[in-house]
Amino acid sequence: EPEVTQTPSHQVTQMGQEVILRCVPISNHLYFYWYRQILGQKVEFLVSFYNNEISEKSEIFDDQFSVERPDGSNFTLKIRSTKLEDSAMYFCASSVGISNYGYTFGSGTRLTVV
Amino acid sequence: GQQLNQSPQSMFIQEGEDVSMNCTSSSIFNTWLWYKQDPGEGPVLLIALYKAGELTSNGRLTAQFGITRKDSFLNISASIPSDVGIYFCAGHRDFGNEKLTFGTGTRLTIIP
Repeated sequence: EPEVTQTPSHQVTQMGQEVILRCVPISNHLYFYWYRQILGQKVEFLVSFYNNEISEKSEIFDDQFSVERPDGSNFTLKIRSTKLEDSAMYFCASSVGISNYGYTFGSGTRLTVV
Repeated sequence: GQQLNQSPQSMFIQEGEDVSMNCTSSSIFNTWLWYKQDPGEGPVLLIALYKAGELTSNGRLTAQFGITRKDSFLNISASIPSDVGIYFCAGHRDFGNEKLTFGTGTRLTIIP
C-alpha cells in the first residue's frame, strides 16, 4: 500500500537552530499538508500546499515556518529559528483531492528542541 | 474557533466488549472522518463520512454522520487487543476547504 514517508523519525536540535523536516508524499497525490501534535494533545493543522504554493495556513504557521517542494517528490517543512515550544510530532500528509478524500499521514518526525 | 469535542476522553474495557465514542461540534462540518493513532505513529484513516445521516461500516467499525452535521459517533464491536490506541474524529468545515480539524481524542485501553 502506498505510504507517506517522513525523515528523520526523530530530530533533536538546539534552540535557535534551523531544522528541515522531509516528506515524500504518495506519488499521484496533489495536495500536501503539515500538521503537528504536541505531546498528549490533538493534531493541529499547520499548512496546505497545492500547485506549488501555499493554499492555506494556520495562525501557528508564522514567519519562522516555510514549506517547499524542491524537486517534484520531496515536500519539506523548515523552521528557521526553533523555539522550545516547537517541540512536537510533525506529520506530513497528502491526498488526491480535497474534502471528499481522507488524507494519508506519514509516521511523523518527533522534533525535540533543547 | 472550530472545536471538535470527543467523549469519553478515555475508556477502559475488557476484550470482547463493544465500544462507543462520539464527537460533537458547535459548528457544522461537511465531512467527518475517524482516525486511529498508535503510539509513535501517524493517524490512520478508519472511516470517512460525506453525507448527513450516512451510516458506514468498515469491518467491526461503524460510524454515523449526524443529521445536524454537528456530530458523529464511532462504534467498535467485539473489541480485540489491537483496537488499543487513540481515536480521533476530524472534519472539513467547508467543501473545498483543505484544513482538517481534529477532535480531542478518545484513548481506548483494553483490560486483559
